[in-house]
Amino acid sequence: GDSVTQMEGPVTLSEEAFLTINCTYTATGYPSLFWYVQYPGEGLQLLLKATKADDKGSNKGFEATYRKETTSFHLEKGSVQVSDSAVYFCALMDSSYKLIFGSGTRLLVRP
Amino acid sequence: DSGVTQTPKHLITATGQRVTLRCSPRSGDLSVYWYQQSLDQGLQFLIQYYNGEERAKGNILERFSAQQFPDLHSELNLSSLELGDTALYFCASSAGGGALETQYFGPGTRLLVL
Repeated sequence: GDSVTQMEGPVTLSEEAFLTINCTYTATGYPSLFWYVQYPGEGLQLLLKATKADDKGSNKGFEATYRKETTSFHLEKGSVQVSDSAVYFCALMDSSYKLIFGSGTRLLVRP
Repeated sequence: DSGVTQTPKHLITATGQRVTLRCSPRSGDLSVYWYQQSLDQGLQFLIQYYNGEERAKGNILERFSAQQFPDLHSELNLSSLELGDTALYFCASSAGGGALETQYFGPGTRLLVL
């Protein structure tokens, strides 16, 4: 079945460092891809999405490009802030329109 | 604020008991989804309703059931609770449930089974 694999966390960075969180997927067809963020004690918020190959999703300085050739959707940000500390989930929407999530990657940004 | 509301925020109960979690979708959204987030299983899809009808089912236990009412709010019923049911339960909603739609998540209900 469809699945999403994310890099293990936690990822610890200093403020203003470059961030990459790797995400790869296995799916039949070309699913829509998503990054959700979960701040401490809160629910999931959509960060960005891409619905077809080569699409780039972007929001709040975060970017991810839908790479069909490598079945990847890596999350990047050029300069992280302390307020970006959270858990990040990569997800795909399968053929029955439900979300399949990766295991989540915890990001800790130190001042 | 996603516009999806869930009650209660926290629930503490004992094994063998039954609880009901409630979700109100965003205004105008017809689809409601339920997800479970636990330490060992991660985030898993449970069930989806569209305009009152069940549309998709995931790894939902037989002890769990859900429904969507005419006013589109949804309830997730968990019975004969076990310690392993301790988790964060999220509700999400979308306009119609299609492939290009975003699912908006509520803040979750944190269930602790003692």
